[in-house]
Amino acid sequence: NAGVTQTPKFRVLKTGQSMTLLCAQDMNHEYMYWYRQDPGMGLRLIHYSVGEGTTAKGEVPDGYNVSRLKKQNFLLGLESAAPSQTSVYFCASSLRGGGHGYTFGSGTRLTVV
Amino acid sequence: KQEVTQIPAALSVPEGENLVLNCSFTDSAIYNLQWFRQDPGKGLTSLLLIQSSQREQTSGRLNASLDKSSGRSTLYIAASQPGDSATYLCAAGPPGNTPLVFGKGTRLSVIA
Repeated sequence: NAGVTQTPKFRVLKTGQSMTLLCAQDMNHEYMYWYRQDPGMGLRLIHYSVGEGTTAKGEVPDGYNVSRLKKQNFLLGLESAAPSQTSVYFCASSLRGGGHGYTFGSGTRLTVV
Repeated sequence: KQEVTQIPAALSVPEGENLVLNCSFTDSAIYNLQWFRQDPGKGLTSLLLIQSSQREQTSGRLNASLDKSSGRSTLYIAASQPGDSATYLCAAGPPGNTPLVFGKGTRLSVIA
């Protein structure tokens, strides 16, 4: 049982390049989330999804897009990377809302130069 | 907007000490309060979840309490061990489908 898997684990991008981070869960969870974690800033919510085909903005959505075409996958896209997007990105999923049963992936460390 | 604050930001204690980590939240209309552990370079692992109707939860040497009226939660760690060294984050679960709101964490070092 893999839980939540994030790919890639590490990436270096040049300013202006685009990329997609993939989050996959095998627990049949309805809810999925993307957070970024920066020193001194804690975990901040980027976007989330309450079910297949749905997405919603979080606290810091600018510069990111997401898609949830399949229930098990939640993609985070950076169309034109900026140095300010250098961060560690965490995906999480939960069976339902209300904060229950969050399972986190191991993170993607992204550096934009 | 819910805000979650954790004090102190970092804590260093000798092995064997009992310790308390603090968490405060601004909106008492929470569904639950959770504590997570994060090891360096890793994701978060859920430790304890306290429902809004509960006062505390216990797991082994860990005890978490919740006082909604004062907007506070504490995580008590008994007989601390070097293996407890990690960052501890608390998160408030708003009602409805809204995701968890996290504090910035307390980085704990237990010195052997």
